[in-house]
Amino acid sequence: EVQLVQSGAEVKKPGESLKISCKGSGYSFTSYWIGWVRQMPGKGLEWMGIIYPGDSDTRYSPSFQGQVTISADKSISTAYLQWSSLKASDTAMYYCARAEYDSSGYYPAYFDYWGQGTLVTVSS
Amino acid sequence: DIQMTQSPSSLSASVGDRVTITCRASQGISNYLAWYQQKPGKVPKLLIYAASTLQSGVPSRFSGSGSGTDFTLTISSLQPEDVATYYCQKYNSARALTFGGGTKVEIK
Repeated sequence: EVQLVQSGAEVKKPGESLKISCKGSGYSFTSYWIGWVRQMPGKGLEWMGIIYPGDSDTRYSPSFQGQVTISADKSISTAYLQWSSLKASDTAMYYCARAEYDSSGYYPAYFDYWGQGTLVTVSS
Repeated sequence: DIQMTQSPSSLSASVGDRVTITCRASQGISNYLAWYQQKPGKVPKLLIYAASTLQSGVPSRFSGSGSGTDFTLTISSLQPEDVATYYCQKYNSARALTFGGGTKVEIK
């Protein structure tokens, strides 16, 4: 059974750093892209970026480039999303999700399995 | 960047009604479109990919159509358990897997 298990809820102060995780199991972790999606309170889904754990090839949404860092440790089947200096506006639910491939079989496409979400609250 | 616009942003319909949600891309994306359902407080769930292919286990009352710039998600007979927000997502470029703004579906 494919599973993505995310780390627990976090409460942080503005300016602090944070790294949240997403551990995959039940499939070949190095063979599928993992994406990160933000959902601010009461708002829609926003694609942040995506990583291929096999070689750490990473793509970012222009909206999140430079604001977060996506990484992966294939030895422990875990992807990460990190911030160096949190802002109150980073308060949101963050989901990781596995990307299936498009019809070419090469590019990441839609998200077929999702983690349970990690709620990040940033408040002074 | 290609923008994804969903309409309406919300709708209210009766049980048994046929419901149609539209997603429009600002440029052509062939059939590289997926639809998701997110029930209140829950994780998003994949419904449809490649514009019209139903994900395994999804009820057949859900269907998708379209290509190029205009896409639709149809619920043929709305059920109480379909109360959710529905999102489209394009995937024609690995650098922009953009979601639409969402359509909230409620029961009248």
